[in-house]
Amino acid sequence: DTEVTQTPKHLVMGMTNKKSLKCEQHMGHRAMYWYKQKAKKPPELMFVYSYEKLSINESVPSRFSPECPNSSLLNLHLHALQPEDSALYLCASSQDRGLGQETQYFGPGTRLLVL
Amino acid sequence: KQEVTQIPAALSVPEGENLVLNCSFTDSAIYNLQWFRQDPGKGLTSLLLIQSSQREQTSGRLNASLDKSSGRSTLYIAASQPGDSATYLCAVVPLRDYKLSFGAGTTVTVRA
Repeated sequence: DTEVTQTPKHLVMGMTNKKSLKCEQHMGHRAMYWYKQKAKKPPELMFVYSYEKLSINESVPSRFSPECPNSSLLNLHLHALQPEDSALYLCASSQDRGLGQETQYFGPGTRLLVL
Repeated sequence: KQEVTQIPAALSVPEGENLVLNCSFTDSAIYNLQWFRQDPGKGLTSLLLIQSSQREQTSGRLNASLDKSSGRSTLYIAASQPGDSATYLCAVVPLRDYKLSFGAGTTVTVRA
Protein backbone atom coordinates (compact mmCIF):
# COMPACT_ATOMS: atom_id res chain seq x y z
CA ASP A 1 0.00 0.00 0.00
CA THR A 2 1.75 3.17 -1.23
CA GLU A 3 -1.09 5.50 -0.46
CA VAL A 4 -1.38 8.60 1.66
CA THR A 5 -4.98 9.52 2.39
CA GLN A 6 -6.29 12.94 3.40
CA THR A 7 -9.66 13.98 4.72
CA PRO A 8 -11.69 15.96 4.03
CA LYS A 9 -11.19 16.54 0.29
CA HIS A 10 -12.77 19.98 0.50
CA LEU A 11 -13.35 22.29 3.46
CA VAL A 12 -15.07 25.66 3.71
CA MET A 13 -14.73 27.50 7.00
CA GLY A 14 -15.33 30.91 8.45
CA MET A 15 -12.62 32.95 10.14
CA THR A 16 -13.94 32.10 13.61
CA ASN A 17 -14.25 28.35 13.05
CA LYS A 18 -12.03 25.58 14.36
CA LYS A 19 -11.44 22.63 12.05
CA SER A 20 -8.90 19.86 11.54
CA LEU A 21 -7.29 18.22 8.54
CA LYS A 22 -6.34 14.57 8.77
CA CYS A 23 -3.63 12.59 7.01
CA GLU A 24 -2.98 8.86 7.25
CA GLN A 25 -0.41 6.43 5.82
CA HIS A 26 0.14 2.72 6.38
CA MET A 27 3.51 2.34 4.69
CA GLY A 28 5.43 2.25 7.94
CA HIS A 29 6.95 5.64 7.20
CA ARG A 30 8.34 7.58 10.15
CA ALA A 31 8.57 11.04 8.57
CA MET A 32 5.45 13.07 7.72
CA TYR A 33 5.03 16.53 6.26
CA TRP A 34 2.52 19.32 5.72
CA TYR A 35 2.81 21.53 2.63
CA LYS A 36 0.69 24.48 1.53
CA GLN A 37 0.12 25.14 -2.17
CA LYS A 38 -1.52 28.26 -3.55
CA ALA A 39 -3.02 28.19 -7.03
CA LYS A 40 -0.44 27.91 -9.81
CA LYS A 41 2.41 28.03 -7.28
CA PRO A 42 4.76 25.28 -6.06
CA PRO A 43 4.21 23.62 -2.67
CA GLU A 44 5.71 25.31 0.38
CA LEU A 45 6.89 23.27 3.34
CA MET A 46 5.08 24.01 6.62
CA PHE A 47 5.96 21.28 9.14
CA VAL A 48 7.99 18.08 9.35
CA TYR A 49 7.54 15.31 11.89
CA SER A 50 10.19 12.68 12.34
CA TYR A 51 9.46 9.72 14.62
CA GLU A 52 6.37 11.53 15.89
CA LYS A 53 8.33 14.57 17.00
CA LEU A 54 8.11 17.98 15.36
CA SER A 55 11.48 18.53 13.72
CA ILE A 56 10.78 21.51 11.47
CA ASN A 57 8.34 24.42 11.74
CA GLU A 58 8.85 26.83 8.84
CA SER A 59 7.79 29.85 10.90
CA VAL A 60 4.14 29.01 10.34
CA PRO A 61 1.59 31.23 12.17
CA SER A 62 0.20 29.73 15.37
CA ARG A 63 -3.29 29.56 13.88
CA PHE A 64 -1.97 26.35 12.29
CA SER A 65 -1.25 23.66 14.89
CA PRO A 66 0.15 20.28 13.82
CA GLU A 67 -0.22 17.08 15.78
CA CYS A 68 1.20 13.59 15.27
CA PRO A 69 -0.72 11.21 17.58
CA ASN A 70 1.06 8.13 16.22
CA SER A 71 3.38 7.11 13.41
CA SER A 72 0.53 6.63 10.91
CA LEU A 73 -1.49 9.75 11.57
CA LEU A 74 -0.89 13.46 11.13
CA ASN A 75 -3.37 16.21 11.91
CA LEU A 76 -3.41 19.93 11.19
CA HIS A 77 -5.64 21.92 13.51
CA LEU A 78 -6.95 25.20 12.12
CA HIS A 79 -8.24 28.13 14.16
CA ALA A 80 -9.00 31.77 13.32
CA LEU A 81 -7.75 31.47 9.77
CA GLN A 82 -7.60 34.32 7.28
CA PRO A 83 -8.93 34.32 3.70
CA GLU A 84 -5.32 34.30 2.42
CA ASP A 85 -4.91 30.87 4.06
CA SER A 86 -7.16 29.42 1.36
CA ALA A 87 -5.04 26.86 -0.49
CA LEU A 88 -4.48 23.18 -1.19
CA TYR A 89 -2.95 21.52 1.88
CA LEU A 90 -0.82 18.53 1.03
CA CYS A 91 0.40 15.82 3.35
CA ALA A 92 3.40 13.65 2.50
CA SER A 93 5.37 10.85 4.10
CA SER A 94 8.77 9.25 3.63
CA GLN A 95 10.75 6.33 5.02
CA ASP A 96 12.50 7.78 8.03
CA ARG A 97 15.28 10.23 7.38
CA GLY A 98 12.98 13.04 6.51
CA LEU A 99 13.16 15.88 4.00
CA GLY A 100 14.51 15.43 0.51
CA GLN A 101 16.98 12.62 1.08
CA GLU A 102 14.37 10.07 0.11
CA THR A 103 11.22 9.87 -2.00
CA GLN A 104 8.20 11.60 -0.50
CA TYR A 105 4.74 10.17 -1.14
CA PHE A 106 2.01 12.79 -1.35
CA GLY A 107 -1.65 12.60 -0.55
CA PRO A 108 -4.34 14.11 -2.83
CA GLY A 109 -4.67 17.20 -0.64
CA THR A 110 -7.44 19.09 1.12
CA ARG A 111 -8.79 22.12 -0.75
CA LEU A 112 -9.46 24.76 1.93
CA LEU A 113 -11.54 27.88 1.42
CA VAL A 114 -11.67 30.46 4.22
CA LEU A 115 -14.54 32.92 4.03
CA LYS B 1 19.01 30.71 -1.55
CA GLN B 2 18.36 28.04 -4.16
CA GLU B 3 16.33 29.28 -7.12
CA VAL B 4 14.68 26.72 -9.39
CA THR B 5 13.36 27.78 -12.79
CA GLN B 6 11.27 25.78 -15.24
CA ILE B 7 10.88 26.92 -18.82
CA PRO B 8 8.50 26.94 -20.57
CA ALA B 9 5.63 27.54 -18.15
CA ALA B 10 3.24 25.78 -20.51
CA LEU B 11 3.56 23.47 -23.48
CA SER B 12 1.04 22.01 -25.94
CA VAL B 13 1.99 19.18 -28.30
CA PRO B 14 0.16 16.70 -30.55
CA GLU B 15 -0.07 13.12 -29.39
CA GLY B 16 2.99 11.04 -30.27
CA GLU B 17 5.47 13.90 -30.10
CA ASN B 18 8.37 13.68 -27.65
CA LEU B 19 8.29 16.10 -24.72
CA VAL B 20 11.32 17.98 -23.42
CA LEU B 21 10.95 19.80 -20.10
CA ASN B 22 13.73 21.94 -18.70
CA CYS B 23 14.74 22.75 -15.14
CA SER B 24 17.60 24.99 -14.01
CA PHE B 25 18.90 25.70 -10.51
CA THR B 26 21.35 28.23 -9.14
CA ASP B 27 23.26 26.30 -6.46
CA SER B 28 25.00 23.10 -7.56
CA ALA B 29 25.49 21.88 -3.97
CA ILE B 30 22.57 19.49 -4.13
CA TYR B 31 21.83 16.08 -2.62
CA ASN B 32 19.42 15.02 -5.36
CA LEU B 33 16.93 16.31 -7.92
CA GLN B 34 13.38 15.05 -8.22
CA TRP B 35 10.67 15.27 -10.87
CA PHE B 36 7.00 15.17 -9.88
CA ARG B 37 3.73 15.11 -11.76
CA GLN B 38 0.63 16.94 -10.50
CA ASP B 39 -2.84 16.58 -11.98
CA PRO B 40 -5.23 19.55 -11.53
CA GLY B 41 -6.28 19.96 -7.88
CA LYS B 42 -4.47 16.77 -6.87
CA GLY B 43 -1.37 15.77 -4.96
CA LEU B 44 2.10 15.18 -6.36
CA THR B 45 3.33 11.88 -7.77
CA SER B 46 7.06 11.21 -7.69
CA LEU B 47 8.35 10.31 -11.16
CA LEU B 48 12.13 10.15 -10.91
CA LEU B 49 14.81 10.87 -8.32
CA ILE B 50 18.37 11.49 -9.50
CA GLN B 51 21.15 11.40 -6.93
CA SER B 52 23.79 14.12 -7.30
CA SER B 53 26.36 11.51 -8.38
CA GLN B 54 24.15 10.25 -11.22
CA ARG B 55 23.82 11.62 -14.74
CA GLU B 56 20.42 10.19 -15.59
CA GLN B 57 17.49 8.05 -14.50
CA THR B 58 14.97 6.17 -16.62
CA SER B 59 11.52 4.81 -15.95
CA GLY B 60 9.48 3.51 -18.87
CA ARG B 61 8.94 6.38 -21.33
CA LEU B 62 10.53 8.86 -18.94
CA ASN B 63 14.19 9.80 -18.89
CA ALA B 64 15.71 12.53 -16.75
CA SER B 65 19.24 13.88 -17.07
CA LEU B 66 21.24 15.89 -14.58
CA ASP B 67 24.17 18.19 -15.24
CA LYS B 68 25.00 19.40 -11.76
CA SER B 69 27.91 21.61 -12.76
CA SER B 70 25.78 23.66 -15.14
CA GLY B 71 22.72 23.54 -12.88
CA ARG B 72 20.41 21.85 -15.37
CA SER B 73 18.07 18.90 -15.60
CA THR B 74 15.90 17.77 -18.50
CA LEU B 75 12.91 15.46 -18.39
CA TYR B 76 12.19 13.62 -21.64
CA ILE B 77 8.84 11.93 -22.19
CA ALA B 78 8.81 9.74 -25.28
CA ALA B 79 5.78 9.30 -27.54
CA SER B 80 3.47 11.54 -25.52
CA GLN B 81 -0.13 10.52 -24.83
CA PRO B 82 -3.17 12.58 -23.73
CA GLY B 83 -2.82 10.94 -20.31
CA ASP B 84 0.53 12.70 -19.93
CA SER B 85 -1.30 16.03 -19.68
CA ALA B 86 -0.42 17.44 -16.24
CA THR B 87 1.90 19.89 -14.51
CA TYR B 88 5.45 18.65 -14.10
CA LEU B 89 7.44 20.01 -11.16
CA CYS B 90 11.17 19.86 -10.68
CA ALA B 91 12.58 20.00 -7.14
CA VAL B 92 16.16 20.15 -5.96
CA VAL B 93 17.34 19.11 -2.51
CA PRO B 94 20.16 21.41 -1.35
CA LEU B 95 22.88 20.00 0.87
CA ARG B 96 22.37 23.06 3.06
CA ASP B 97 19.04 21.99 4.54
CA TYR B 98 17.70 18.98 2.56
CA LYS B 99 14.35 20.71 2.00
CA LEU B 100 12.68 20.27 -1.38
CA SER B 101 12.99 23.50 -3.36
CA PHE B 102 10.40 23.43 -6.15
CA GLY B 103 10.21 25.12 -9.49
CA ALA B 104 6.91 26.66 -10.56
CA GLY B 105 6.24 23.79 -12.96
CA THR B 106 5.55 23.27 -16.66
CA THR B 107 1.93 22.59 -17.59
CA VAL B 108 1.76 20.11 -20.45
CA THR B 109 -1.22 19.53 -22.73
CA VAL B 110 -1.07 16.60 -25.15
CA ARG B 111 -3.67 17.00 -27.91
CA ALA B 112 -5.34 13.85 -29.24
